[in-house]
Amino acid sequence: SQQGEEDPQALSIQEGENATMNCSYKTSINNLQWYRQNSGRGLVHLILIRSNEREKHSGRLRVTLDTSKKSSSLLITASRAADTASYFCATRETGANNLFFGTGTRLTVIP
Amino acid sequence: GAGVSQTPSNKVTEKGKYVELRCDPISGHTALYWYRQSLGQGPEFLIYFQGTGAADDSGLPNDRFFAVRPEGSVSTLKIQRTERGDSAVYLCASSLRGGRINTGELFFGEGSRLTVL
Repeated sequence: SQQGEEDPQALSIQEGENATMNCSYKTSINNLQWYRQNSGRGLVHLILIRSNEREKHSGRLRVTLDTSKKSSSLLITASRAADTASYFCATRETGANNLFFGTGTRLTVIP
Repeated sequence: GAGVSQTPSNKVTEKGKYVELRCDPISGHTALYWYRQSLGQGPEFLIYFQGTGAADDSGLPNDRFFAVRPEGSVSTLKIQRTERGDSAVYLCASSLRGGRINTGELFFGEGSRLTVL
């Protein structure tokens, strides 16, 4: 079963704009991760944020985590056409072994 | 190899047939995961191995699905009496460690696309 829900399901922006995707989850977590998937390909890890962290940066990526609201956001700044992909949040529940993925946001960046 | 390798990349079979999908994880990765992804959906957890043992198989949909990892490296996902609803991309991922001490990222293969006619 999937634990997370992403919002929006689809997002279309112009190159250079910022893209924000949100993820909500249901249970207590150890960490939350974001992955990217190009069409027809496997998933690639982008960034991990631990439950005791509130914000993390990696290049043009900024992730926030609000454990009281059980939500996270992924911000991609200065988007590029090559950022076009599906983005998934994934949560590792406290004490659990596996990683549950959300439903994904399909991002299209128009050149 | 440098990454997670999955074979075959595509498999077309007929309803009722038996299918095996193989995953070769990154060398040294003790944790191995199988997921299933339908079109437009996120990966759905199937089973997780820590070493040779299935530490969590709660995601397997029914007893037609079975997975092994006999030597703690390569894993095979086996599907008996395939049904059209089994059609999906089956993704394998590995991680350096597993269990409660694992907080790290998963490395995914490119997936095996299964089509059941």
